[in-house]
Amino acid sequence: DIQMTQSPSTLSASVGDRVTITCRASQSISSWLAWYQQKPGKAPKLLIYKASSLESGVPSRFSGSGSGTEFTLTISSLQPDDFATYYCQQYNSYLTFGGGTKVEIK
Amino acid sequence: QVQLQESGPGLVKPSQTLSLTCTVSGGSISSGDYYWSWIRQPPGKGLEWIGYIYYSGSTYYNPSLKSRVTISVDTSKNQFSLKLSSVTAADTAVYYCARPNTAMRPWDAFDIWGQGTMVTVSS
Repeated sequence: DIQMTQSPSTLSASVGDRVTITCRASQSISSWLAWYQQKPGKAPKLLIYKASSLESGVPSRFSGSGSGTEFTLTISSLQPDDFATYYCQQYNSYLTFGGGTKVEIK
Repeated sequence: QVQLQESGPGLVKPSQTLSLTCTVSGGSISSGDYYWSWIRQPPGKGLEWIGYIYYSGSTYYNPSLKSRVTISVDTSKNQFSLKLSSVTAADTAVYYCARPNTAMRPWDAFDIWGQGTMVTVSS
């Protein structure tokens, strides 16, 4: 099984901050990685697929990078609507998710 | 656009079988374009992929749940279903159905999700 480890588990930030979340895979997954945003009581929303491709309709302040085993999700300027939990997901070898990163208001 | 809607009992007794259905609207399962998945999320925890089904009935399950999971499809109703047997409190979760971003890829990111349905396992 491929394990996905996200860090940090919680992040406190202010509006306008640049935020970076890391996801590490236990083995190489090439670029087969997605990022999701989830708000309480809602289904996850796809932000990034194939490590760096922005899903249609997602603001350009979101970006993804990385390949192999280390990946990052960056929010260039945090907006009030961005306070949420973020998950990574690998789809190189079936499907596994990271444990999540909660972005809180500082 | 394609929409997914989960339905089923919100309360299941321990040792019984959890049964949920996902109804697809705005698209046809029998088009054969996509693999259709179930994903769950225990309260306050992360996401766990359960398995997928193709319109032909071909399935693949998470090895950790394989012995208890059955996913089936009814193309005439444009639905696919989940059965999870011998449930315990650990199976209490929000259950989502989801469709991948790319046609004909069994392993992919998910761009379309149902709203989710909470299932509680309790006597």
